[in-house]
Amino acid sequence: DQQVKQNSPSLSVQEGRISILNCDYTNSMFDYFLWYKKYPAEGPTFLISISSIKDKNEDGRFTVFLNKSAKHLSLHIVPSQPGDSAVYFCALSGGSNYKLTFGKGTLLTVNP
Amino acid sequence: DAGITQSPRHKVTETGTPVTLRCHQTENHRYMYWYRQDPGHGLRLIHYSYGVKDTDKGEVSDGYSVSRSKTEDFLLTLESATSSQTSVYFCAISVRTGNTEAFFGQGTRLTVV
Repeated sequence: DQQVKQNSPSLSVQEGRISILNCDYTNSMFDYFLWYKKYPAEGPTFLISISSIKDKNEDGRFTVFLNKSAKHLSLHIVPSQPGDSAVYFCALSGGSNYKLTFGKGTLLTVNP
Repeated sequence: DAGITQSPRHKVTETGTPVTLRCHQTENHRYMYWYRQDPGHGLRLIHYSYGVKDTDKGEVSDGYSVSRSKTEDFLLTLESATSSQTSVYFCAISVRTGNTEAFFGQGTRLTVV
């Protein structure tokens, strides 16, 4: 049973436009929500996060939105740049030991 | 850079042989994790540790064991490697800054032939 779903395996956008990546979850126990970016042959790198007490967090071109009632998380990248091309994972944390449960990832391609 | 080193970075091994992957951290963090990444599955937790000699199973622990005899090292052992364990393995540490984000090593690509 998949607790975290990223339903779009891939997304292609033009440079300068907005990229929107989505993530849905089923378990209300998650209380911290993160996005990771991964380039080929590298480890995932932390991008941005949000706690369950907030509905929005911004960091430069990246904004994460949380809709707890819908159990939905999204990442907005504005403006998108070719260097943003990577696989993006949402990761959720809840309970002790800070374990992360990951979605399957979305491959973002930003075309020049 | 969170000071995480994985070794080896690449390994090819034969079915049925034992394999040990090493994760070393320089930052003295309490929590360490082993994940595997496979196409179509994202990252899945194998085992984790919350202190020296304190470990627990994750989502996909069958066929794997771990040990943590000192804070800086977390070892993952495939007791008898199978082709289904061909994967990229990532070690991570959790930095308790209040954000619970984990920092990952660069990964070990393991091929079981």
